[in-house]
Amino acid sequence: QQQVKQSPQSLIVQKGGIPIINCAYENTAFDYFPWYQQFPGKGPALLIAIRPDVSEKKEGRFTISFNKSAKQFSLHIMDSQPGDSATYFCAASRGSSYGKLTFGQGTILTVHP
Amino acid sequence: GAGVSQSPRYKVAKRGQDVALRCDPISGHVSLFWYQQALGQGPEFLTYFQNEAQLDKSGLPSDRFFAERPEGSVSTLKIQRTQQEDSAVYLCASSLLWDGYTFGSGTRLTVV
Repeated sequence: QQQVKQSPQSLIVQKGGIPIINCAYENTAFDYFPWYQQFPGKGPALLIAIRPDVSEKKEGRFTISFNKSAKQFSLHIMDSQPGDSATYFCAASRGSSYGKLTFGQGTILTVHP
Repeated sequence: GAGVSQSPRYKVAKRGQDVALRCDPISGHVSLFWYQQALGQGPEFLTYFQNEAQLDKSGLPSDRFFAERPEGSVSTLKIQRTQQEDSAVYLCASSLLWDGYTFGSGTRLTVV
């Protein structure tokens, strides 16, 4: 069962562009939505996370937008840089499940100089 | 230590061989997770420990997979009689509480 669906699979932008990655979830019990960044040969690293009581959260160049009624959330990367080229994963968990994460399929982002 | 350490980084096993993958979590972290990441996919949950107690092993794909954390620190994931479909990156993560955990770089297992 695909509980978290992520799109697009890949994304190419020019430096300075604003890539947007979208995720949709099915389980309404989810109450924690993190985004992870993964470079080749490394484990995922937490970028930013949001809970359903807010509709937007911004940390540096990264912004999460959250739409509880649509069961969707998205990651925006402002002023993207070549160093942002990586695979991005959305994820979700329930507070009652000690943090067990369900991940999306990932988006490979390429930022051209 | 400064981060989650996993060893070996790479493991090639012949089909049918047993393997053991080690995870050294961040010192003092209570929670420890194992995830399996197939090529081009997101990580998938395998099992969870709170200190030495294995509270959830619902993601282990078969009874060939076994995990332990006997003293509440280092954990080992063991796979018996490896099969080709076991080829993946095995990720370990630890946390103080239940969110914002830190992943290791993983062990890439290739079964030939």
